[in-house]
Amino acid sequence: AQKVTQAQTEISVVEKEDVTLDCVYETRDTTYYLFWYKQPPSGELVFLIRRNSFDEQNEISGRYSWNFQKSTSSFNFTITASQVVDSAVYFCALSEPNSNSGYALNFGKGTSLLVTP
Amino acid sequence: DADVTQTPRNRITKTGKRIMLECSQTKGHDRMYWYRQDPGLGLRLIYYSFDVKDINKGEISDGYSVSRQAQAKFSLSLESAIPNQTALYFCATSLAGNTEAFFGQGTRLTVV
Repeated sequence: AQKVTQAQTEISVVEKEDVTLDCVYETRDTTYYLFWYKQPPSGELVFLIRRNSFDEQNEISGRYSWNFQKSTSSFNFTITASQVVDSAVYFCALSEPNSNSGYALNFGKGTSLLVTP
Repeated sequence: DADVTQTPRNRITKTGKRIMLECSQTKGHDRMYWYRQDPGLGLRLIYYSFDVKDINKGEISDGYSVSRQAQAKFSLSLESAIPNQTALYFCATSLAGNTEAFFGQGTRLTVV
């Protein structure tokens, strides 16, 4: 069963628009960790954020912000005033201590974001 | 220099051939991972290792084997490559189970 669901396969926005990438996760653990990674067209995976299950404060880093809501098992990512350089595939991932893979990151299928001028 | 280095970066091989993908890291992490990325499927875990003597199968280990030669080196082998193993392969390391993973640049493998 898919533990991390990124329902939006592709999103296309015009530069300067705000865009939110959705991530819904599933776990039975009370302690777990959530991550977002960016994969630009060059292919490397860039770490963006890590959040533990006990910290529900929203986080803002420049134009990026994250909204963690345990009540809805969601960890959404918003880019404000998008730029062409934000075009990439974005992955949400879950790390659980009691998974079959010993904390290894379990990734969603990714959301491809295209920002056009 | 990259902290996590994968070789080769690109490889084309024929069906039935044995191929090894290599990964080395300078981060001093005990945990290492191999993932496979296919379009629309995200990254899926092939194998993971907590240290040199602890190697475990991931979600999609069939058709693959690994070797942890040292703390810094973790190799992935395809004993008899088949076309549906054509994919982008990533090696990763992490300090602990609940910390971020650092990824290599990826190896694009094509099996013809």
